[in-house]
Amino acid sequence: ETGVTQTPRHLVMGMTNKKSLKCEQHLGHNAMYWYKQSAKKPLELMFVYSLEERVENNSVPSRFSPECPNSSHLFLHLHTLQPEDSALYLCASSQDRQATYEQYFGPGTRLTVT
Amino acid sequence: GENVEQHPSTLSVQEGDSAVIKCTYSDSASNYFPWYKQELGKGPQLIIDIRSNVGEKKDQRIAVTLNKTAKHFSLHITETQPEDSAVYFCAASSYSSASKIIFGSGTRLSIRP
Repeated sequence: ETGVTQTPRHLVMGMTNKKSLKCEQHLGHNAMYWYKQSAKKPLELMFVYSLEERVENNSVPSRFSPECPNSSHLFLHLHTLQPEDSALYLCASSQDRQATYEQYFGPGTRLTVT
Repeated sequence: GENVEQHPSTLSVQEGDSAVIKCTYSDSASNYFPWYKQELGKGPQLIIDIRSNVGEKKDQRIAVTLNKTAKHFSLHITETQPEDSAVYFCAASSYSSASKIIFGSGTRLSIRP
């Protein structure tokens, strides 16, 4: 395993629900990331945290709200989602926020919005 | 901004044959090019990377080549095996781009027995 865990692995939610995705890394890394993976599209970087501070927000709609309480945990809070938000959400971590460090990915949460 | 194009989107090769996946990038400042492999039900995992100061790098059956002038790089897998079946992603970034790494759209590689 990569040392990055994500829960839940699968999530089905209605458009009016509120849910949260959880990510935990056991690697002692300083940077954590949320990506969205849709079929036949490149991975889309959503948020980057470095030492618990958000350093990048790639024009993500406000219905996605990240939280990083410490350097080992990352959450993605979801509310009022749209069907097009259905995708695989991947969490990753790296030693540092520099893009030239290897990123370690979790297995992802498969989200379906009904 | 950076854009990474990856081809082909799907590739099927006979076991034992070679597979080649190609990528092009647009930002001439890019100088780091990793390749990730994603198996079913798992997240992407780094398999090899190359930096702009070298033209080729090998690791057992996999190799990556880089042509900075043409702004393209390729992944070569020789003597393919069933466990090579996966989705492969190329990516590009630069030392100055901080946390920004741009991925290609992926190639689904299938190895026929």
